[in-house]
Amino acid sequence: QKEVEQDPGPLSVPEGAIVSLNCTYSNSAFQYFMWYRQYSRKGPELLMYTYSSGNKEDGRFTAQVDKSSKYISLFIRDSQPSDSATYLCAMSGGSSASKIIFGSGTRLSIRP
Amino acid sequence: EAEVAQSPRYKITEKSQAVAFWCDPISGHATLYWYRQILGQGPELLVQFQDESVVDDSQLPKDRFSAERLKGVDSTLKIQPAELGDSAMYLCASSRRDRNSPLHFGNGTRLTVT
Repeated sequence: QKEVEQDPGPLSVPEGAIVSLNCTYSNSAFQYFMWYRQYSRKGPELLMYTYSSGNKEDGRFTAQVDKSSKYISLFIRDSQPSDSATYLCAMSGGSSASKIIFGSGTRLSIRP
Repeated sequence: EAEVAQSPRYKITEKSQAVAFWCDPISGHATLYWYRQILGQGPELLVQFQDESVVDDSQLPKDRFSAERLKGVDSTLKIQPAELGDSAMYLCASSRRDRNSPLHFGNGTRLTVT
């Protein structure tokens, strides 16, 4: 079993919809949680960075961490075609505290 | 906003040839990472430097891959000899010294081995 599981998609939604992207993990020691956005042929770009449980909001993006369920989410409100990309979750804080483990990414497409 | 610089952007090489990638991290970032990303997968760590020292190279295929960061600033990743299975995106990232500081990635080098 992988330490971090992420549905690869693809996920296709109409413009303006609320998007929910999710990851589950198995290592209860993870404490730092990140979401990256990756456009085709580009490097991952940090979107959200959270510590421990709770919510964090930044513009149209909300990151949510539920450590009791080992489940994290990224919500995108009022989705735009420019949000079409692959979204990677990442986390760290386990026994190799500075090692960051990535999910495999979810491909998202926003239809105009 | 400061960026991680990588070159070349694209590289095509024949198997058994040598290939090298270069990375210049964000100024002041002590930690530098090389990741490999196969299409449709997440990045996987190859090697991590703290300043000029290797912190983690447990996933680096040392029979053919080498990495250095001689002055603790820019870094080079080399593959010799390249194999068909090495075709992937090679990403460099950097972060501040404090543990669990988020990574900032460059745009990568896409390697194709023929």
